[in-house]
Amino acid sequence: GAGVSQSPSNKVTEKGKDVELRCDPISGHTALYWYRQSLGQGLEFLIYFQGNSAPDKSGLPSDRFSAERTGGSVSTLTIQRTQQEDSAVYLCASSLEGWVEQYFGPGTRLTVT
Amino acid sequence: DAKTTQPNSMESNEEEPVHLPCNHSTISGTDYIHWYRQLPSQGPEYVIHGLTSNVNNRMASLAIAEDRKSSTLILHRATLRDAAVYYCILIGSNYKLTFGKGTLLTVNP
Repeated sequence: GAGVSQSPSNKVTEKGKDVELRCDPISGHTALYWYRQSLGQGLEFLIYFQGNSAPDKSGLPSDRFSAERTGGSVSTLTIQRTQQEDSAVYLCASSLEGWVEQYFGPGTRLTVT
Repeated sequence: DAKTTQPNSMESNEEEPVHLPCNHSTISGTDYIHWYRQLPSQGPEYVIHGLTSNVNNRMASLAIAEDRKSSTLILHRATLRDAAVYYCILIGSNYKLTFGKGTLLTVNP
């Protein structure tokens, strides 16, 4: 079946612009996660959704970052007024329920110039 | 948050077993031990997870110490496709994730 998909696969934006990253989880998966991975670094947890609710947003690095999930499916991660330090690969994952086996998408590579 | 400690890198020969260690001395009673791996230029891939008992699946085995302060991921016969960064992760009931820096496994032909 279809896996987790993310769009766009690559995004180059100018400093100060807003960007939206999209994640389509595996159908039927109630849990959805966002992570980011900077060059040469490990994974950094950003936010977790159970259904449309985000029980914990404390991983979001600043108030420029926000995320929403609608219909228990698609999620959007929005970064406002992008900075160069936001450059990273943003990964989305989903699972049948919280914290069991997570399936990752291919990621969106964000470059802020 | 409980942290994990892994060696930065390990090396193995093809067809030989590999034991990847992880220390998590501050693990709490409700933390599950998960292992993921990441091949170059790909998203992470789930390998195995456990709570207290040793676990086996088609990819690997997970040996958990009796005091749960350490665990070992065992690849029974390494292949070139197993070359990746292996992450030992603690996942608790409060939804906080703690990632180790991972172990870069090199498999020699």
